Formats: sequence, structure tokens, C-alpha cells
Amino acid sequence: NAGVTQTPKFQVLKTGQSMTLQCAQDMNHEYMSWYRQDPGMGLRLIHYSVGAGITDQGEVPNGYNVSRSTTEDFPLRLLSAAPSQTSVYFCASSYSAGGLTFHGYTFGSGTRLTVV
Amino acid sequence: AQKITQTQPGMFVQEKEAVTLDCTYDTSDPSYGLFWYKQPSSGEMIFLIYQGSYDQQNATEGRYSLNFQKARKSANLVISASQLGDSAMYFCAMRGVGTSGSARQLTFGSGTQLTVLP
Repeated sequence: NAGVTQTPKFQVLKTGQSMTLQCAQDMNHEYMSWYRQDPGMGLRLIHYSVGAGITDQGEVPNGYNVSRSTTEDFPLRLLSAAPSQTSVYFCASSYSAGGLTFHGYTFGSGTRLTVV
Repeated sequence: AQKITQTQPGMFVQEKEAVTLDCTYDTSDPSYGLFWYKQPSSGEMIFLIYQGSYDQQNATEGRYSLNFQKARKSANLVISASQLGDSAMYFCAMRGVGTSGSARQLTFGSGTQLTVLP
């Protein structure tokens, strides 16, 4: 029962480098999201997807790119890393929202990214 | 737009005592869900409890209960009989049915760091 799997767990990048954070879920959830966590600011939404082929921007999308070609996978790409992108990144998935019952998100274990 | 406010950056509680973590929210959605997550020092996000805006009774899950006051827009988490393992960061979050897709994702507060003292 894997849930949400994120890789890598730790990463150090140099300014200007690009990389992809991987996220996969095996629960057949429609919704997937990427959040970043910075001290004192809680978790902020970067990008999200409501199904395969559908993505949209969250609160802090600049410098990041996503795609959703399958239900299971939702990679996050850093196009040209900057020190301001040093953070902990969480991928999460959920059943769709709507009606009177709201499902919580299941989170991956996080990726700690440092940009030097 | 949705907003979650947690006004207690840090809280201390004696082991075996109860503690209340405050959460207020703001939304124009007629229907929404409220969540609490726990983040221990290891970093993972652990779901604790959920309250739907139309639920008549306050949610309970073991030692956790959610004190939901809709008119005041508050959703406080109550932990009874605190244990040393309850020391962690606690986040309040919500999601709604808003017209924007982002409103249907989780919006988080800034968190409360709880320390349980032996």
C-alpha cells in the first residue's frame, strides 16, 4: 500500500540548474497537488491537477512547471533553480471535491530542496 | 478567496492535560470541509480529523475533537490527555466548492508548534 511516493527525498541544486521532482500515487485519485512549505508560512499551493491532461496554477506557480499525462503521475519541474526555491516540497492526492463530503489529501513524505 | 488563520505560533502543555489549538477561517463558499494535520519533526503530514460545514455534530477521532463554531468561523482542535508524542506542528486547512479550481484544493494556516512537557 504505497500511497503517494515522492522522489528524491533530498536534493541540492546550483542556481540555474533544472530538475524534476517525481510524484506517483496508486490510489486512483483524481486530484493531485504540489505544495511548498516555508518556515512560518504553512503550505502554499504551487500547481494542481483535477485529472489526467488538466493542470492549473496555484498561489505560487512562478518558476515551476507541471504536466499530468496519467492519473498516477504528477511531476514538478524547476526550470531554472533560484535560491528562493529552497524549500520543502510536498505532493498530495485526493478524491475529487464536491457535494457535502470533502476528502482530505494524502501527502507524500516530502522533498527537501536546497538551491545554492 | 479562502483564508485560514492560526494565531498561536507556539503552545506548551503539560503531559496528560488537554490543549486547544485555535483556527479561524474565512470563505464565501456555502459548503466546505475543515481539516487538521499533524507534522512531527520527521516531516510527514498526518491527517487527524475532518469536519464538514453541514455536519450537525462536532467531529471526534480518539483523543482529538474539533470544536466547530460555524457562526464564529472557528474550528479549534482539542487534544485530550496530551502525550509526549503529540509534540509536533499542527496545521488547520480547508477546501471548498468555489468556482475556481484552487478553492477546491487545500488552503493551510501557518501552523502551531505544540510542545508537550513531561
